[in-house]
Amino acid sequence: DVKVTQSSRYLVKRTGEKVFLECVQDMDHENMFWYRQDPGLGLRLIYFSYDVKMKEKGDIPEGYSVSREKKERFSLILESASTNQTSMYLCASKVQGGNQPQHFGDGTRLSIL
Amino acid sequence: AQSVTQLGSHVSVSEGALVLLRCNYSSSVPPYLFWYVQYPNQGLQLLLKYTSAATLVKGINGFEAEFKKSETSFHLTKPSAHMSDAAEYFCAVGRSNDYKLSFGAGTTVTVRA
Repeated sequence: DVKVTQSSRYLVKRTGEKVFLECVQDMDHENMFWYRQDPGLGLRLIYFSYDVKMKEKGDIPEGYSVSREKKERFSLILESASTNQTSMYLCASKVQGGNQPQHFGDGTRLSIL
Repeated sequence: AQSVTQLGSHVSVSEGALVLLRCNYSSSVPPYLFWYVQYPNQGLQLLLKYTSAATLVKGINGFEAEFKKSETSFHLTKPSAHMSDAAEYFCAVGRSNDYKLSFGAGTTVTVRA
């Protein structure tokens, strides 16, 4: 089975802090994704990476950056956390190809105080 | 562009009754379609996928979905609801030339005893 592991299930940070969310997958998947999930808004794509060191903006990239130095790891960075970034963050990975499903981690519930 | 509409943000069913969750999509090319389930405080789990083979797709936990091109629909059904089916369900659409998925807003299912 595919395993996508997010480093923290719950995280509390303060406004202005630099926050790192880590995601690791164990199936050699080319593509990786970061979403945020908010009630009533569904899943919104922040950034994705189609290969190592490659990244593209999703629908809501403002206030975020990403890093993919190794194939198995995709990091989401909140440069200066703000309260409106309090949310559930989900990481996903998939094999190359549009007909391939995404596999999700369990999510990180991030609170910015 | 592609989009997904899930009709009904909340569905309540009695235990043992039919579960029907509606999903309509728009896509300029033949789509790949997915249903995911999310239990509280967890990530998304793949229920089933349509990738241009059989139009009736069987998934895990007794769920199935039928692809109807003429109606641009991919509704999810389960003949007999179980208490453990209480969760949020997401429909998603992808394309062969795209890394990304477009997700619907989700439907929360409540099962009454």
